[in-house]
Amino acid sequence: EAQVTQNPRYLITVTGKKLTVTCSQNMNHEYMSWYRQDPGLGLRQIYYSMNVEVTDKGDVPEGYKVSRKEKRNFPLILESPSPNQTSLYFCASSLSRLRDNSYEQYFGPGTRLTVT
Amino acid sequence: QQPVQSPQAVILREGEDAVINCSSSKALYSVHWYRQKHGEAPVFLMILLKGGEQKGHDKISASFNEKKQQSSLYLTASQLSYSGTYFCGTLSGSARQLTFGSGTQLTVLP
Repeated sequence: EAQVTQNPRYLITVTGKKLTVTCSQNMNHEYMSWYRQDPGLGLRQIYYSMNVEVTDKGDVPEGYKVSRKEKRNFPLILESPSPNQTSLYFCASSLSRLRDNSYEQYFGPGTRLTVT
Repeated sequence: QQPVQSPQAVILREGEDAVINCSSSKALYSVHWYRQKHGEAPVFLMILLKGGEQKGHDKISASFNEKKQQSSLYLTASQLSYSGTYFCGTLSGSARQLTFGSGTQLTVLP
């Protein structure tokens, strides 16, 4: 089954404790992206990756890191989480933007993070 | 800069029609529509490329006016299953990222 998986689905942590949210897709997609969703603000992009070893900042990258060492995986790293990073996080993937009729993004199930 | 969606919320009865608008201050290459049900991930509905095309499937369709940088999503004869939050995403110029609006919450009552 074609899918994007994220782990963990729920996480409660304390300020300053490093954490990683994993994201994996099995569709051989080149493009992957991380979003955070907050009430009234919609989906805001954190980082995206056009391909392996190619990453770039989205609209709200502060406090986050990413890496893309393999095509299927795109982990999101919070080196020192703070309460303002409490949010619902979605990973998404799609075929290359160059083929616009295939630019549909597939979203993972989401990770609800609470930082106290 | 996020596209602006209107209305922010709409409540309607089963069988009624609804229109959700999305506008941008930038010249758009494409507009993407997604629906998110409560507690779930956003799900793709359709993409409209510049050229003023209109698309649709079932009773959900959309139009894209590239001159006005606006898109509208049309839901006709709404069903209970249409309830959810609808997001438009816009791709402009050489941007490699999709920028989403803040969403329109649609509630269909029996």
